[in-house]
Amino acid sequence: GQNIDQPTEMTATEGAIVQINCTYQTSGFNGLFWYQQHAGEAPTFLSYNVLDGLEEKGRFSSFLSRSKGYSYLLLKELQMKDSASYLCAVMDSNYQLIWGAGTKLIIKP
Amino acid sequence: GAVVSQHPSWVICKSGTSVKIECRSLDFQATTMFWYRQFPKQSLMLMATSNEGSKATYEQGVEKDKFLINHASLTLSTLTVTSAHPEDSSFYICSAREPSGDVKQYFGPGTRLTVT
Repeated sequence: GQNIDQPTEMTATEGAIVQINCTYQTSGFNGLFWYQQHAGEAPTFLSYNVLDGLEEKGRFSSFLSRSKGYSYLLLKELQMKDSASYLCAVMDSNYQLIWGAGTKLIIKP
Repeated sequence: GAVVSQHPSWVICKSGTSVKIECRSLDFQATTMFWYRQFPKQSLMLMATSNEGSKATYEQGVEKDKFLINHASLTLSTLTVTSAHPEDSSFYICSAREPSGDVKQYFGPGTRLTVT
């Protein structure tokens, strides 16, 4: 079967760095997405990785290792507004998105 | 960037009635739109894939006669929840993909449905 695993909840301090991991097992791979979702709102796109390596975009970076079925989202200089759920999703061989359950990130002052 | 809108943003209806939710791509043509449902503290669950001009493809366990999807134009897809029950109360989100080959999905703001 297809499976996406990510931690349920993480807590970090304002100004610090946090890494949210995601491991996956899917039928085929056409890229991995990270989305941010604030409570009661729709997801917003953060990153897309299809090749191995690190993609940096401002305070957010995303890493992918296809051989290990592993990705992480790195958030630097955390701000209170970063408190949200972070969803990992993999596009399978049929170009369907398989979603993880999301990681709720709590930022403390 | 690509913008997707949904209407209404929230709706309350009585059991047994039907509710229609609209999803529009505002600045691009979307040949494919997706309908998701999300229960509190859970991840997105794909309900169906809507293709312009053809029948929607429903995921296993989703009743096509209960959740009617119509994708009549390149900018509009509608989801009608028929004979709604309280257990249909949820957050319904649509997304769309540009026909250019971009694999990214752009999400609408979501519609919160409460069935009393």
